[in-house]
Amino acid sequence: AQSVAQPEDQVNVAEGNPLTVKCTYSVSGNPYLFWYVQYPNRGLQFLLKYITGDNLVKGSYGFEAEFNKSQTSFHLKKPSALVSDSALYFCAVRKKAGGTSYGKLTFGQGTILTVHP
Amino acid sequence: NAGVTQTPKFQVLKTGQSMTLQCAQDMNHNSMYWYRQDPGMGLRLIYYSASEGTTDKGEVPNGYNVSRLNKREFSLRLESAAPSQTSVYFCASAQISSYNEQFFGPGTRLTVL
Repeated sequence: AQSVAQPEDQVNVAEGNPLTVKCTYSVSGNPYLFWYVQYPNRGLQFLLKYITGDNLVKGSYGFEAEFNKSQTSFHLKKPSALVSDSALYFCAVRKKAGGTSYGKLTFGQGTILTVHP
Repeated sequence: NAGVTQTPKFQVLKTGQSMTLQCAQDMNHNSMYWYRQDPGMGLRLIYYSASEGTTDKGEVPNGYNVSRLNKREFSLRLESAAPSQTSVYFCASAQISSYNEQFFGPGTRLTVL
């Protein structure tokens, strides 16, 4: 079975400071990893994904994430946070291929990011 | 290009009533998904359709049925609603044969009294 853990329910940062939202995963074989953002009363919006290759992935709105295979982590980062980044962030994993869970995304429970002015 | 659309946006039901949530996508994706979102639990997969004509149970299928009407449409039915089904429901679609991300609809907020 595949699983995702987001160890922090909430992350608070000051505007202009760097932010990190943590994610660890468990999946058999190689993973595809995703980050999504959800603004209040909206659906999920795709931010970035890791498929293969460079461990540092760049995505929308200045976000990036670092894949660490040995630590089974995929932390979301941004060098300088904005108040408008305040939202609910989800990490998700799926298997690359094969097996009964092929194609299915498993989500973490979400992390509320609050950026203070 | 509307992406993924869902109807209705809001619904209130009484215990025991039935209803169908509708989902449609115009991106020619082969796979579609239904999730429910509850506070502190992230998104949980209810049912999934890898391609037209196939459906499969997800993590929390009890109390739900689905129909993949055609490539565009994937509906979720509650035959006898229960208060435990109060949630926000999201439909998503993806091109499963590649590593593309899933695209999500705006959600349906369902309250069962």
